[in-house]
Amino acid sequence: GAGVSQTPSNKVTEKGKYVELRCDPISGHTALYWYRQSLGQGPEFLIYFQGTGAADDSGLPNDRFFAVRPEGSVSTLKIQRTERGDSAVYLCASSLTPDLGGETQYFGPGTRLLVL
Amino acid sequence: TQLLEQSPQFLSIQEGENLTVYCNSSSVFSSLQWYRQEPGEGPVLLVTVVTGGEVKKLKRLTFQFGDARKDSSLHITAAQPGDTGLYLCAGFMEYGNKLVFGAGTILRVKS
Repeated sequence: GAGVSQTPSNKVTEKGKYVELRCDPISGHTALYWYRQSLGQGPEFLIYFQGTGAADDSGLPNDRFFAVRPEGSVSTLKIQRTERGDSAVYLCASSLTPDLGGETQYFGPGTRLLVL
Repeated sequence: TQLLEQSPQFLSIQEGENLTVYCNSSSVFSSLQWYRQEPGEGPVLLVTVVTGGEVKKLKRLTFQFGDARKDSSLHITAAQPGDTGLYLCAGFMEYGNKLVFGAGTILRVKS
């Protein structure tokens, strides 16, 4: 497809488990972003990649969260020892270049994570 | 505390009515964006405003950026049921490269 895709669309896990969330950006987009959206809130920035490197990971809440983008395309957000408070929609977005106030970010549909 | 405060949080109106959604901050933004998000989908960009005092129109939607670049508004004329959704404002702070979102306004337009 032409848009940003995310898998799985829904993930239910138990507290303490490890989860991986995948994002396929639009082909050719060099910048990739992860956001977390809790119920009743707007998206909250987690991390952004320029190519393969994490240019800004200041939004990651703690060291249980980690993200990679080894080949500069697909990215995986990894959450260790999940907690109930991690339950949220995890959104991925990509843009042609880093969005320094101008370039449009295109969002995927999100992965709905529920930690029981 | 949200860096960008949106109001109202929820709005339910009849088809044909006009409405305004506000996005306010005490901080200055280099640019501000408005998104619309439908259930089960990601936000979709509607507009970006960059210059203080800027007004942009998109069909029945009018967007304004405050002179001091701290606030913005979205005005919808003659709302239609298809306008129903979550409207989010988001901005880039003057010296940052992260997009900061407001909590959103849920709009419901009844036919």
